Amino acid sequence: AQKITQTQPGMFVQEKEAVTLDCTYDTSDQSYGLFWYKQPSSGEMIFLIYQGSYDEQNATEGRYSLNFQKARKSANLVISASQLGDSAMYFCAMREVENSNYQLIWGAGTKLIIKP
Amino acid sequence: ETGVTQTPRHLVMGMTNKKSLKCEQHLGHNAMYWYKQSAKKPLELMFVYSLEERVENNSVPSRFSPECPNSSHLFLHLHTLQPEDSALYLCASSQERGRITGELFFGEGSRLTVL
Repeated sequence: AQKITQTQPGMFVQEKEAVTLDCTYDTSDQSYGLFWYKQPSSGEMIFLIYQGSYDEQNATEGRYSLNFQKARKSANLVISASQLGDSAMYFCAMREVENSNYQLIWGAGTKLIIKP
Repeated sequence: ETGVTQTPRHLVMGMTNKKSLKCEQHLGHNAMYWYKQSAKKPLELMFVYSLEERVENNSVPSRFSPECPNSSHLFLHLHTLQPEDSALYLCASSQERGRITGELFFGEGSRLTVL
């Protein structure tokens, strides 16, 4: 079974609209971390935001926020006021302590295209 | 200098060639990683070095040979590759390996094509 599932292979969004990228995860660990990365066409993976399993509040970083629903095992990325430069691949990843020895487990990604 | 630099950015090689990918990090990190990114597949972790010692080797074929001469440099030596090895190879570093919160910093990758 996949540990990280990103159900949206691709999305088109109008500039200035908010966008939600879905991520669900599967773990039996109590302690884990969730990450979102952005990969523009240049290839570099850029860290966006982190949520710890024990964090009570949703993480926010500028225009990025993470909608963390622990009981549903969901960690959706919300980008507010989208910009043309947000067009990229977006990857959700999880780090467990017990099950994966601190390795990051990655989803297959969502390709986001912002339309002017 | 950018944080993590990879060279070459593009490489085309025949199946009998020997080549190397180079990664250099200027962040003072203690852990370095090689990942393989193939189209429509999740990133695959290949190797992890922590304080210059290899700590992870995820069932990678022996035609890929890593080398970490110091904490700032990481190489991936390639020989007798197969066409299915064509992919984007990403190098990353992190402050240390065993932290839940530690994010990875990536280079722009080396796009490898094996003919």
